[in-house]
Amino acid sequence: KAGVTQTPRYLIKTRGQQVTLSCSPISGHRSVSWYQQTPGQGLQFLFEYFSETQRNKGNFPGRFSGRQFSNSRSEMNVSTLELGDSALYLCASSRDTLRGEQFFGPGTRLTVL
Amino acid sequence: GESVGLHLPTLSVQEGDNSIINCAYSNSASDYFIWYKQESGKGPQFIIDIRSNMDKRQGQRVTVLLNKTVKHLSLQIAATQPGDSAVYFCAEKRGIDARGGADGLTFGKGTHLIIQP
Repeated sequence: KAGVTQTPRYLIKTRGQQVTLSCSPISGHRSVSWYQQTPGQGLQFLFEYFSETQRNKGNFPGRFSGRQFSNSRSEMNVSTLELGDSALYLCASSRDTLRGEQFFGPGTRLTVL
Repeated sequence: GESVGLHLPTLSVQEGDNSIINCAYSNSASDYFIWYKQESGKGPQFIIDIRSNMDKRQGQRVTVLLNKTVKHLSLQIAATQPGDSAVYFCAEKRGIDARGGADGLTFGKGTHLIIQP
């Protein structure tokens, strides 16, 4: 069974731009969560989607948004990029929103210049 | 605030020895705990989990211990191998909220396990 895939793997943007990251969950998984990983803050929860609905949201500004499609694929968007948004963005999928076992993708490395 | 933390940022062990990685948590509402392994350039990989109604769970070469009294959990890796070299994270998840969803995972800072030949 294919794992979680994320595209693109690497991205370079400049301040003020916006970016869209994509995540395809494991087949049959309906819950998709997004995390930001930085050396200083570690892994931080952004939001979780289940059946096209945002179920939970972490403590991030409104510039960070996401959505989930009917096929469970998910995208996250960051608008008005700041230098501090440079990070590894990880997507994780699970069968449902109540299960803790999440399977992570390889991440998208975003660099903001 | 409530968070999950690890005691040591780096742990160095000899190949073949047992490794013990510790984690302390402060949220008494946590009911599910997971250990993840992250190798360089990869996303976290699930190792083992444990629910709050258990105090021990064993997997292949790994054991997780949960002490709810002192809010502590540990990951024991038997006969550590070079392939075990990675950063290990503990994570906690609280139960379902009023909307029927569960909080996302809260991760600790991680312990870098270094294997000495």
